[in-house]
Parts: sequence; structure tokens; C-alpha cells
Amino acid sequence: NAGVTQTPKFQVLKTGQSMTLQCAQDMNHEYMSWYRQDPGMGLRLIHYSVGAGITDQGEVPNGYNVSRSTTEDFPLRLLSAAPSQTSVYFCASSFNPLGFEQFFGPGTRLTVL
Amino acid sequence: SQKIEQNSEALNIQEGKTATLTCNYTNYSPAYLQWYRQDPGRGPVFLLLIRENEKEKRKERLKVTFDTTLKQSLFHITASQPADSATYLCALSPGANNLFFGTGTRLTVIP
Repeated sequence: NAGVTQTPKFQVLKTGQSMTLQCAQDMNHEYMSWYRQDPGMGLRLIHYSVGAGITDQGEVPNGYNVSRSTTEDFPLRLLSAAPSQTSVYFCASSFNPLGFEQFFGPGTRLTVL
Repeated sequence: SQKIEQNSEALNIQEGKTATLTCNYTNYSPAYLQWYRQDPGRGPVFLLLIRENEKEKRKERLKVTFDTTLKQSLFHITASQPADSATYLCALSPGANNLFFGTGTRLTVIP
């Protein structure tokens, strides 16, 4: 099993550009989520999904869109990137709700100029 | 406001000693508390989960305690080894689909 995979590993964008961060898992997990990690702050939940076709907002959803058309994939879209979105983004998946063991991907380091 | 504090940004200990990391929280009523390990450039890796009605959990050299009265969790690594050097994160969940992380403590075990 590859576990949770994320692409790309690194990305540089200009302000106003759009892009999609990819996340896939091969563990047949129902729950998937996106976090951002910034220096001096803990990981913060952006969006999550409890199954295909169902998504909801987390703590910091503004500026990000998600969809979940399959169990395996949970892409994160930035429609118009801003410097404040410079961060490391982690995708996670789990059998159980977010309060239980999460399996994290390796992360995507995004810089917005 | 809600806050999760981990005792210090960095903790250095001698190999073989017990490392104790602290997670304090305010304005949460967590049903579950988790501890993760994160190595540089990698995603967090789950270590232990403890429920609000549990006082203590153990796994090999790891022990977690949870005191809902003090609003505190302690994470212990006994017989620490240089390979235990990493950042350790605590995470609280007040319910099913929310998870709040502390900023982490960077542990260095000195040979």
C-alpha cells in the first residue's frame, strides 16, 4: 500500500494564480481531510470529507475549495492564490472520524509570491 | 479563546532518561486526545490516543496521561534514544469531526 500520497511536493505560485493540490489514499478510508501547517501555529483543519460526495468546512476554509467524487481522491483547490496561503499542506485519511488515528501524507510546500 | 499549549518549543535530554512533554488546553472539552510524532519534512505519524474517561495509556516505551480536571496531558518516553528525537504534537478532538493541534515540542535526545 502506498498509503496517502500528495502531489506536487513543492510548488511556487504567483498571487492570483490557481492550482489544485492532489491527495489520494489506497486504504479505502471514508474520512479525508486537509490541514495547513505554519510556523508557530499548530496544524489547522481546512476542509474534511466523511465520504464520497460529502464535504464540510474546518477551522480555516476561506480561499479553498474541495470535492470528493471518489473514495480515493480528495483534491484541494486554490482559486486565486494569496501570499497568506504560503504554507505546508497535509492531507490525511482515516477509517474513523477525525478524533481518531489519522494517516498523514508527506505534505506539499506551497509558496505564493 | 481556545488554546493548546505544549510546554516548550524545545526539550533536550540525555539518552536513557525519561522525556516528559506537556500539553495544556483551555476552553476545550476534548472527548479524545492524540499524540503524533513529526520528523522534519514529513507528515505527522500517530502514536497514541486517550479518551476523556481514561487516565493513562501505554504503548511500549510510551505513556500518556489525561487529566480533564487540570486540562492537561503528559506524554512520557522512557529509556529515551537518539532515534526518539523529533517534534511531538498533541491534538484534541471535542467531537467526531474536529481536530485541533498544538504547536509541538521539538525533542532532542543527546547520546
